[in-house]
Amino acid sequence: EAQVTQNPRYLITVTGKKLTVTCSQNMNHEYMSWYRQDPGLGLRQIYYSMNVEVTDKGDVPEGYKVSRKEKRNFPLILESPSPNQTSLYFCASSLDILAGATDTQYFGPGTRLTVL
Amino acid sequence: KQEVTQIPAALSVPEGENLVLNCSFTDSAIYNLQWFRQDPGKGLTSLLLIQSSQREQTSGRLNASLDKSSGRSTLYIAASQPGDSATYLCAVSAGANNLFFGTGTRLTVIP
Repeated sequence: EAQVTQNPRYLITVTGKKLTVTCSQNMNHEYMSWYRQDPGLGLRQIYYSMNVEVTDKGDVPEGYKVSRKEKRNFPLILESPSPNQTSLYFCASSLDILAGATDTQYFGPGTRLTVL
Repeated sequence: KQEVTQIPAALSVPEGENLVLNCSFTDSAIYNLQWFRQDPGKGLTSLLLIQSSQREQTSGRLNASLDKSSGRSTLYIAASQPGDSATYLCAVSAGANNLFFGTGTRLTVIP
């Protein structure tokens, strides 16, 4: 089954404790991205990647890191989480977003993060 | 910067009614517009994608229209069912690498 998976689905942590949220897709997609969703603000892009070893900042990158060492994986790293990073996080992928922008993005189920 | 607005924020209708969800965006220079459905505890599911050169797309009971010049899109749901209850999100592609989302309309279809 074609899908985007994220782990963990739920995470409660404390300020300053480094964490990683994993994202994996099995569709051989080139493009992957991370979003956060907050009430009243909608989804906002954190980082995106157009291919292996190619990543770039989205609209709200502060406090986050990403890596793209393999095509299928795109982990989101919070080196020193803070309470304002409490949010619902989504990973997404698409075949090639440059291909005439015809591709929809496929979203993972989300990771609800709480930073105390 | 592109801003996407969805009205209303919430909507309740009795089963069987036809309904329209609205989406507006500030910058008409878009690649495409997508409508997504979001269910609690699940990710987003793409419903319809309209290219900037298109006026509408249809899938089953769903019809989405796009008026790029006025910065508006509508999602029409015919003969609503309780299973249609979800949050519907509108998103515009303002470039090759980002989607700008609205805050959604939470739809409740009452049996």
